[in-house]
Amino acid sequence: AQTVTQSQPEMSVQEAETVTLSCTYDTSESDYYLFWYKQPPSRQMILVIRQEAYKQQNATENRFSVNFQKAAKSFSLKISDSQLGDAAMYFCAYRSAMNRDDKIIFGKGTRLHILP
Amino acid sequence: NAGVTQTPKFQVLKTGQSMTLQCAQDMNHNSMYWYRQDPGMGLRLIYYSASEGTTDKGEVPNGYNVSRLNKREFSLRLESAAPSQTSVYFCASSVPRDYYNEQFFGPGTRLTVL
Repeated sequence: AQTVTQSQPEMSVQEAETVTLSCTYDTSESDYYLFWYKQPPSRQMILVIRQEAYKQQNATENRFSVNFQKAAKSFSLKISDSQLGDAAMYFCAYRSAMNRDDKIIFGKGTRLHILP
Repeated sequence: NAGVTQTPKFQVLKTGQSMTLQCAQDMNHNSMYWYRQDPGMGLRLIYYSASEGTTDKGEVPNGYNVSRLNKREFSLRLESAAPSQTSVYFCASSVPRDYYNEQFFGPGTRLTVL
């Protein structure tokens, strides 16, 4: 079974600085998708960025980018120019591209604090 | 287009009481999901429904039942609530076999069982 591990329960970063959130996963599959979701205090789950496993190029969405290391099974999220609105729980997630079901497996989350 | 809606937003139950959490989506998605979120545990899948009329157990189904009433609605029922079911519950939906299977989430229901 696939697992997703986020080893940093909490992190803090100064406003305008850059922060990297770590995520590792375990799978025997070669084709899959990876996601980062953001959950602000409103509790709403928001998709931040996604990556296809067969694409070597790292995904980027404005100030958010990932470092996808397939061989190492690592999928970290980098947030540049951190803003107060980035304060949230961040969840790393995995979805198989090979199973018939469409379930997503979530990590336990990293709470990110932005220091003004 | 409201996306995924959930009712109620908050609920307090006594041990042994029953209740149904409602979820509806207006995006014409086939797949729907129920998760629970507990501190330090992330989101865990309770049940999911790949299409109208079908449901399957997820990681933590014990103590819950679901009904996929139609394509839009997917309800979660607690027949006899227990304090261990105190949690935040999220409903989600997605297009199956969509390129990414991005899941769209409702705003959540905070349930407290005393």
